[in-house]
Amino acid sequence: SQTIHQWPATLVQPVGSPLSLECTVEGTSNPNLYWYRQAAGRGLQLLFYSVGIGQISSEVPQNLSASRPQDRQFILSSKKLLLSDSGFYLCAWSLTGGPYEQYFGPGTRLTVT
Amino acid sequence: GEDVEQSLFLSVREGDSSVINCTYTDSSSTYLYWYKQEPGAGLQLLTYIFSNMDMKQDQRLTVLLNKKDKHLSLRIADTQTGDSAIYFCAGGYTGGFKTIFGAGTRLFVKA
Repeated sequence: SQTIHQWPATLVQPVGSPLSLECTVEGTSNPNLYWYRQAAGRGLQLLFYSVGIGQISSEVPQNLSASRPQDRQFILSSKKLLLSDSGFYLCAWSLTGGPYEQYFGPGTRLTVT
Repeated sequence: GEDVEQSLFLSVREGDSSVINCTYTDSSSTYLYWYKQEPGAGLQLLTYIFSNMDMKQDQRLTVLLNKKDKHLSLRIADTQTGDSAIYFCAGGYTGGFKTIFGAGTRLFVKA
């Protein structure tokens, strides 16, 4: 069966510090991968998606970046965090064929102080 | 652009039925989904419906789709306290790259 892991589960970082969140998927090959941010009490904002190794599409301009160095590994990074980067970050995967339902990781709670 | 709207809160008594409503703007949505999020956790897919269907039933869950009005609903029969969570409506498209999520409806179940 497929599983998705995210770490760390929680993170408190000062403004201006770097960020690296990691997501890995097991039990499937060549998945579509996604990074979302969920602000408190709000819906999901798609940040990045990837259809293959090294292929990253950005949905919103920001100081975050994403990379996919391996088929089942997706990394979210920042060189300098802003207060507005605080939120709940969710990684998800889907198959490349319909119905494209997404499977989410447990999330990372990021607080920028 | 695409938009999915939901009411923010719903409160029901244990044992009653819950109906969570959703409207979407893009009629080209191929798939419509319902996800559940428990506190501090990721989203869990509950069910989905193809845009050419009117209804789908899965145990206590019934999804109704009115394409003319672009209205989707999720009915939970015999609601239990364990059903308390945030429920997200989402619209997906062929290719699957962009799934548009609503803001979520927080369901409170009173014992």
